[in-house]
Amino acid sequence: DAMVIQNPRYQVTQFGKPVTLSCSQTLNHNVMYWYQQKSSQAPKLLFHYYDKDFNNEADTPDNFQSRRPNTSFCFLDIRSPGLGDAAMYLCATSRDRLGRDGYTFGSGTRLTVV
Amino acid sequence: QKEVEQDPGPLSVPEGAIVSLNCTYSNSAFQYFMWYRQYSRKGPELLMYTYSSGNKEDGRFTAQVDKSSKYISLFIRDSQPSDSATYLCAMWRGSNYKLTFGKGTLLTVNP
Repeated sequence: DAMVIQNPRYQVTQFGKPVTLSCSQTLNHNVMYWYQQKSSQAPKLLFHYYDKDFNNEADTPDNFQSRRPNTSFCFLDIRSPGLGDAAMYLCATSRDRLGRDGYTFGSGTRLTVV
Repeated sequence: QKEVEQDPGPLSVPEGAIVSLNCTYSNSAFQYFMWYRQYSRKGPELLMYTYSSGNKEDGRFTAQVDKSSKYISLFIRDSQPSDSATYLCAMWRGSNYKLTFGKGTLLTVNP
């Protein structure tokens, strides 16, 4: 089945220690998104790639970076995680930039910062 | 005022009940309306998708959009324990190429 796969499912990192979360997709979708979701809150868009074109949200902290080496893979790098960065991180894809027919989400990576 | 408002609940109903979930929005530029279902510790999955005002039915689920009132609803008939999840409304407008989500409503269907 075509899908969006996130690894790892659970990640524990130390305060200030860089961490990388990964996302891969077999849908061949052009657009990939990273969302941060905290408990009982709406998913918050951090950035997205339209093909190789990177689009950062204005309120995404500099601490968060992303890479998309090819169509299938996208990475979220948190350079110096703080306690406030503990959250579920969701990767999503859409067929095109319009995204009108919805996004396909991965199962998420739950990040704990200790 | 947030662009999308959704009552977080929680909402608890007995099996077989009709469930009504709602969102309001403030920006009339929203054109596409979606409902996502999110099980605990999983990513959201697209449940319903609609563009125009009116009703769209898919099995036990009905999505309703009232653009004049800026109000959308999801109805679940004959609710089942497997429907227990968080339901997120999401809306799309063309100007910024992204979905705006509500906070989600946590639904529990009790056997």
